[in-house]
Amino acid sequence: DTEVTQTPKHLVMGMTNKKSLKCEQHMGHRAMYWYKQKAKKPPELMFVYSYEKLSINESVPSRFSPECPNSSLLNLHLHALQPEDSALYLCASSPSGGNTEAFFGQGTRLTVV
Amino acid sequence: GESVGLHLPTLSVQEGDNSIINCAYSNSASDYFIWYKQESGKGPQFIIDIRSNMDKRQGQRVTVLLNKTVKHLSLQIAATQPGDSAVYFCAVGNSGGYQKVTFGTGTKLQVIP
Repeated sequence: DTEVTQTPKHLVMGMTNKKSLKCEQHMGHRAMYWYKQKAKKPPELMFVYSYEKLSINESVPSRFSPECPNSSLLNLHLHALQPEDSALYLCASSPSGGNTEAFFGQGTRLTVV
Repeated sequence: GESVGLHLPTLSVQEGDNSIINCAYSNSASDYFIWYKQESGKGPQFIIDIRSNMDKRQGQRVTVLLNKTVKHLSLQIAATQPGDSAVYFCAVGNSGGYQKVTFGTGTKLQVIP
């Protein structure tokens, strides 16, 4: 299994809603990532988990809250988002131990209304 | 910080011709370089990577060239096919930044049948 699975594929939420994005991989990778990608722009790193511990937080607003319940799962909890947070949210994973290729999921297309 | 850019935002190539996509980076400490392909509606897909101790690496129909002197890398696609139409991103990392890579702005490759 060489897939990273993200759910849901599409999400529309209001600015007062609380929602969660989910990501799952069964490749035994120990590093997992959240990226944000706006239209026609490159992915921007948000968070990195290494061995289930948060290792990088790219100064992301607190309305985005990551969680890594175990080595296969990664969540992104969303609360009080703004319309400018509308974007494609990508999850990725890679083997631990330094820079290696990352496997990306298909992403969750988020629209904040 | 790292600045990664691509010389051409859009590249149109006749089917069967070779494609060359270029990328410049700014941080001389960068030592890991990756090319990703992103098709419409999908997450980025790993194509090929190269480390700074090499200047050339070949894969299936793809070659990456790295020139550390001028901080430039390129992706060559041989016998370009319609399925190669996508946005191509270079991404750059360094061992000190463990797991953190910076994506370039992307080049859209259009293959003309």
